[in-house]
Amino acid sequence: DGGITQSPKYLFRKEGQNVTLSCEQNLNHDAMYWYRQDPGQGLRLIYYSQIVNDFQKGDIAEGYSVSREKKESFPLTVTSAQKNPTAFYLCASKDRGGELFFGEGSRLTVL
Amino acid sequence: DQQVKQNSPSLSVQEGRISILNCDYTNSMFDYFLWYKKYPAEGPTFLISISSIKDKNEDGRFTVFLNKSAKHLSLHIVPSQPGDSAVYFCAASAVGNQFYFGTGTSLTVIP
Repeated sequence: DGGITQSPKYLFRKEGQNVTLSCEQNLNHDAMYWYRQDPGQGLRLIYYSQIVNDFQKGDIAEGYSVSREKKESFPLTVTSAQKNPTAFYLCASKDRGGELFFGEGSRLTVL
Repeated sequence: DQQVKQNSPSLSVQEGRISILNCDYTNSMFDYFLWYKKYPAEGPTFLISISSIKDKNEDGRFTVFLNKSAKHLSLHIVPSQPGDSAVYFCAASAVGNQFYFGTGTSLTVIP
């Protein structure tokens, strides 16, 4: 089945550690996105990539990094510079019609 | 500054009645609008969309209305069912640009 796979679903991190969240899609979509959701807030854009080997910062990119070496993969690294990393992270890809398809999400908790 | 606003954080409706979820936006360049439904600890799923060339789009029990002059859109669900209980996000974008999401409205349909 086509879709977006995020892993891990749950992740615990100690302060000062970097962690990487995986996002893989087999929908053949060019554009991919990372969002963060906090309680009572909408989805906020961290980074997005319109094409392989290219990505742009979103509204809250500080403390995060991404890579887009393959069309199917758009991993997000939460670095120790991110001051408040505990959140629900959502990866999405966009089809040519403009619709976003989301993964199941990854919940990161900093201990 | 929040470009897409959902001013009602929650809504309760009796089963069989109409649910009306509202969304306001500030950017007149937005020309594509979507509604997503989200269950806890899952990724959002696409519900319905509308482009700025239309003022209404219908899909089964779901209808989205767009009032461009008021910069307002609404999602009508009729008849509401208990399985519709979820958080609903509206999103908007301008051509080729990122999506902006509202903060969500939590709908509870009471059996």
